[in-house]
Amino acid sequence: NAGVTQTPKFRILKIGQSMTLQCTQDMNHNYMYWYRQDPGMGLKLIYYSVGAGITDKGEVPNGYNVSRSTTEDFPLRLELAAPSQTSVYFCASTLPSSYNEQFFGPGTRLTVL
Amino acid sequence: AQSVTQLDSHVSVSEGTPVLLRCNYSSSYSPSLFWYVQHPNKGLQLLLKYTSAATLVKGINGFEAEFKKSETSFHLTKPSAHMSDAAEYFCVVSDLYNAGNMLTFGGGTRLMVKP
Repeated sequence: NAGVTQTPKFRILKIGQSMTLQCTQDMNHNYMYWYRQDPGMGLKLIYYSVGAGITDKGEVPNGYNVSRSTTEDFPLRLELAAPSQTSVYFCASTLPSSYNEQFFGPGTRLTVL
Repeated sequence: AQSVTQLDSHVSVSEGTPVLLRCNYSSSYSPSLFWYVQHPNKGLQLLLKYTSAATLVKGINGFEAEFKKSETSFHLTKPSAHMSDAAEYFCVVSDLYNAGNMLTFGGGTRLMVKP
């Protein structure tokens, strides 16, 4: 199993550009998540999904959109990039139950200039 | 509502000495608690988890943590630090009845290990 994979690893955007961060998991996990991590901080939840076709906002959803058309994929869309979105983005997945840990991807480092 | 406070943003120890990283949590229901480690420019790796079984939890690389309900604490310890333990450590909580199994992260503790 590859686990949780994310692409790209690095990206530089100009203000106002848009992009999609890709996330795929091959563990047949129902639940998937997007987090951002700002320097020296913990992770904050952007969006999550409990299954294909179902998404919900987390703590910091403004400026982002998500979709979940399959169990495996959970892309994150930035429509109008802003410098405040400069961060490291992590995707994670798990099975239902609070007893289960989340498995994290390697992250995407995004800089908006 | 759930929250986590990591009491030290930085901890510095000498190689071979004990490690203590402190974590207090708040949870409305029976919590699951986790410690994750993040090495520089890497993703997060699970060290250990507490899920209402034994209160003393053993994890990878010699780490362990003790769940103390009366103190709402879940401190991480290791008897003898190695240079390779230098990393960022996150204490994480998830409520039993939390829709979506959302995690709440502490602010992190950076562990530095001196030779």
